[in-house]
Amino acid sequence: SYELTQPPSVSVSPGQTASITCSGDKLGDKYVCWYQQKPGQSPVLVIHQDSKRPSGIPERFSGSNSGSTATLTISGTQAMDEADYYCQAWDSSTGVFGTGTKVTVL
Amino acid sequence: QVQLQESGPGLVKPSETLSLTCTVSGGSVSSGSYYWSWIRQPPGKGLEWIGYIYYSGSTSYNPSLKSRVTISLDTSKNHLSLKLTSVTAADTAVYYCARGECSGGSCSFDYWGQGTLVTVSS
Repeated sequence: SYELTQPPSVSVSPGQTASITCSGDKLGDKYVCWYQQKPGQSPVLVIHQDSKRPSGIPERFSGSNSGSTATLTISGTQAMDEADYYCQAWDSSTGVFGTGTKVTVL
Repeated sequence: QVQLQESGPGLVKPSETLSLTCTVSGGSVSSGSYYWSWIRQPPGKGLEWIGYIYYSGSTSYNPSLKSRVTISLDTSKNHLSLKLTSVTAADTAVYYCARGECSGGSCSFDYWGQGTLVTVSS
């Protein structure tokens, strides 16, 4: 089965840039979405179609996808961005989520 | 504004069937090109896609759960349902329903329910 691997944790200082990777076989051939989940809340879509931001998502969230790695970048990270982040893609009509990354804003 | 609300028993005995309903408001489950999905999250763990039902009625399931899962639509009640048979403690999780929307060849979950915790225990 298809797998998406993310680093368990990423730490970032306020105002700095956080980069979260998502790795999978030929991932660049698929579209990737990213979800933010804060404790006790439902996930929220922050990036779709590799790099597009839904309405209401701040410009500091951006995404890219090439080769076998997709990346979610948070520029000028704020304390409110502390959360778990999950990448997601489709493989033969099957949805696959990444292992998840906890972003800590120190 | 589309809203999704999960409902169902919070406690299910091992070997029995887990049954949940997701009621959709602010939109119709039978209109548009949407993939109505179920996703679960064991306590303290990551997200797991369970499956979807397309507005036309076609389905796709996670291969690891396929033999035990059924997702259906009830257009008269504007809701989708999940049935998971022969449950074990490993099926204890928060269960979410979500709407999958596709554009430009990419499908993403743009609306989520609040989730409902189902515990499998005798």
